[in-house]
Amino acid sequence: TQLLEQSPQFLSIQEGENLTVYCNSSSVFSSLQWYRQEPGEGPVLLVTVVTGGEVKKLKRLTFQFGDARKDSSLHITAAQPGDTGLYLCAGALGGAGSYQLTFGKGTKLSVIP
Amino acid sequence: DAGVIQSPRHEVTEMGQEVTLRCKPISGHNSLFWYRQTMMRGLELLIYFNNNVPIDDSGMPEDRFSAKMPNASFSTLKIQPSEPRDSAVYFCASRGLLLSGNTIYFGEGSWLTVV
Repeated sequence: TQLLEQSPQFLSIQEGENLTVYCNSSSVFSSLQWYRQEPGEGPVLLVTVVTGGEVKKLKRLTFQFGDARKDSSLHITAAQPGDTGLYLCAGALGGAGSYQLTFGKGTKLSVIP
Repeated sequence: DAGVIQSPRHEVTEMGQEVTLRCKPISGHNSLFWYRQTMMRGLELLIYFNNNVPIDDSGMPEDRFSAKMPNASFSTLKIQPSEPRDSAVYFCASRGLLLSGNTIYFGEGSWLTVV
């Protein structure tokens, strides 16, 4: 059983559309991170959310941590081809500095020009 | 600044052969991680070092896998003997002191195919 479930697994959209991807768990996390991984490269950290209900914005990307700290969402406005990649969420079960990150399997996003 | 450097980037080997993957973490980082990524299981932590000492190796699949960190600037992950089910992308990652944040920096990965 996967501790972190990401949905959808695959998403293909047209440039300019909006989208939301989800990261859900039955576990409570001390913090949650979102990464983007491009083909042939390692994951790159986009954001860390720590407080339940927290919302962070990174240009066209909006990240939300659930009130109960069990789930998170990533919303992209006006998607661009450069947003294409694998989006991974990772939850920390220990303290804020815990090394024990559990990764979801990711949402593979394709933005078609 | 150089990021995490891994070698080789790609390796194809025959079943039963020894495979050694290498990693140079970011200078000054005191935590090092080895992860394995597959389609079926996603990204899994294999082993975690802190100040060159293995802290958690519970993710190492079996005795065929071993990892060392002889100094702060070098680590190896060895598979002996290799099996086809070991085919995956192996990532090394490093992190600095927690006071500077909990950001883990990944290398570009070593793509291993065992035939």
